[in-house]
Amino acid sequence: GQSLEQPSEVTAVEGAIVQINCTYQTSGFYGLSWYQQHDGGAPTFLSYNALDGLEETGRFSSFLSRSDSYGYLLLQELQMKDSASYFCAFPGGGYQKVTFGIGTKLQVIP
Amino acid sequence: DAGITQSPRHKVTETGTPVTLRCHQTENHRYMYWYRQDPGHGLRLIHYSYGVKDTDKGEVSDGYSVSRSKTEDFLLTLESATSSQTSVYFCAISGGQVGQPQHFGDGTRLSIL
Repeated sequence: GQSLEQPSEVTAVEGAIVQINCTYQTSGFYGLSWYQQHDGGAPTFLSYNALDGLEETGRFSSFLSRSDSYGYLLLQELQMKDSASYFCAFPGGGYQKVTFGIGTKLQVIP
Repeated sequence: DAGITQSPRHKVTETGTPVTLRCHQTENHRYMYWYRQDPGHGLRLIHYSYGVKDTDKGEVSDGYSVSRSKTEDFLLTLESATSSQTSVYFCAISGGQVGQPQHFGDGTRLSIL
């Protein structure tokens, strides 16, 4: 079957760095995506890693290791507005369907 | 921002009543999806569409039906709402290439009493 595992909650201090891990199990793997969702809002796309390695977009970076079935989202210089839920996800199953993890709720504290 | 609109944004109804949620897009995207989001479960796919009149079931389709008569509109219907269907419902669209982001509507908060 297809599954993703990520921690349910993470707390980090403003200005610090936090890493949110995601392990997955699937056949026909194409890549790993990350989405952000603020309370009461809609999920928004952050990044997609099709190849192994680190992709950087401003303060956010995403990493993928296909051999380890593992990825992570790295948030640097944390700001209070980064408090949100972060979902790892992968496309698969045809018709561009996406399977989402249950999400990691990040709380940034002063 | 992707042009995707959900209506209504909030709805309260009673058990046993029919409910229809609408998703409207202005992006001409082929793929459309309905998800429900519940605490501890993340986003779960209810139904999806890969073209006009082409739909299929997701992982939690029981009690739901969908229709897509035009590219821009994707309707989700609860034929006889139950309290277990109280949830936040999101519609999403996708351009159709692997890895392309899904763009979500603002969601519909549905309460069934």
